[in-house]
Amino acid sequence: SQQGEEDPQALSIQEGENATMNCSYKTSINNLQWYRQNSGRGLVHLILIRSNEREKHSGRLRVTLDTSKKSSSLLITASRAADTASYFCATDSNPQGAQKLVFGQGTRLTINP
Amino acid sequence: DTEVTQTPKHLVMGMTNKKSLKCEQHMGHRAMYWYKQKAKKPPELMFVYSYEKLSINESVPSRFSPECPNSSLLNLHLHALQPEDSALYLCASSQYAGYNEQFFGPGTRLTVL
Repeated sequence: SQQGEEDPQALSIQEGENATMNCSYKTSINNLQWYRQNSGRGLVHLILIRSNEREKHSGRLRVTLDTSKKSSSLLITASRAADTASYFCATDSNPQGAQKLVFGQGTRLTINP
Repeated sequence: DTEVTQTPKHLVMGMTNKKSLKCEQHMGHRAMYWYKQKAKKPPELMFVYSYEKLSINESVPSRFSPECPNSSLLNLHLHALQPEDSALYLCASSQYAGYNEQFFGPGTRLTVL
């Protein structure tokens, strides 16, 4: 089952601009993670934000989490061509003592030079 | 070594073939995962192994058979697959069966004829 819904589905911006992607989810979570996937390759973990955190930064990335609205956003500042990829949010549950990630539908980001 | 490796990179098989996908990590992680990803879709969890024991099976058909011979190795045995099983198969690992980031391999691109 897909818990996360992301918007926009696709985003195209000019290099140097900021990119914002949003993720909404349905049930309570332990944490929310963002991953990047270059075309047809494995996913790369970007950032994890716990349910008791509201904002987190990592380099050019800024993530916010609003548990009351069940939503998160990922901001990439000063975008570069290398940021072109698909970005997925993933929510975390822990049934039976093992981590289960459920991914959103993803946002395909294109950075135009 | 902070890498998850997967072999083969590409696999083409007929519906009557038996093949195996292999995943390996040497980060000392105790949780390992198999995901299936169709084109332009998010990864979908198939199996979770925690401390070499199968913790989660997401109602995957029996033609997919996972195996975890030791804490570093995860296999996915394939038999009598269908063309709709063609997809990118991703392996991931995490430090322990809890709330933390997952490290993904590059995937095996499987085509079933």
